[in-house]
Amino acid sequence: KAGVTQTPRYLIKTRGQQVTLSCSPISGHRSVSWYQQTPGQGLQFLFEYFSETQRNKGNFPGRFSGRQFSNSRSEMNVSTLELGDSALYLCASNDRDGIYNEQFFGPGTRLTVL
Amino acid sequence: GNSVTQMEGPVTLSEEAFLTINCTYTATGYPSLFWYVQYPGEGLQLLLKATKADDKGSNKGFEATYRKETTSFHLEKGSVQVSDSAVYFCALPGGSSNTGKLIFGQGTTLQVKP
Repeated sequence: KAGVTQTPRYLIKTRGQQVTLSCSPISGHRSVSWYQQTPGQGLQFLFEYFSETQRNKGNFPGRFSGRQFSNSRSEMNVSTLELGDSALYLCASNDRDGIYNEQFFGPGTRLTVL
Repeated sequence: GNSVTQMEGPVTLSEEAFLTINCTYTATGYPSLFWYVQYPGEGLQLLLKATKADDKGSNKGFEATYRKETTSFHLEKGSVQVSDSAVYFCALPGGSSNTGKLIFGQGTTLQVKP
């Protein structure tokens, strides 16, 4: 099976702009989670989607949002970008019917906010 | 809620040295435990997992044993190689067993010198 794919791999934006990142999970996986990775805060959970519904949400402001489509592909959106939003954004998928919570990660999207 | 504490790095070793990276956790019940590895410029890869107390996860020469008495899941390898240079993360589910949310340690950077 193909792994988790994320597009684009790199993005450069300026403060105040908005950005949309895309994630395609492993075929058959219905759960998609998003994480933000920064040197200072490490890996932080943003949200999880399952069957087009948000099931879990981390402690991020409302500028961070997401959605999931019927084919399980997911997008996350960040509006009104701030310098502190510069990070590696990782998407992960799993078969939520499993009991081990094993997450399969994509390569990430590196967002730089200038 | 669940949490995980990992030893701080960086850890610098010579090739063929013994590796230990400490990880302790706080959790309700006995959740699955994971070690992920991140190579430069890449996303996270699952290195090994243990799904119940006293389980030993192993992969690529790495091992970790789920110790409920000491709430630990230390990562070990008998003889490291230069190719093992990466960042290692200990992780566990963020809540109930059926969640897409993982809680990660702060990561330990391993550098192996020839």
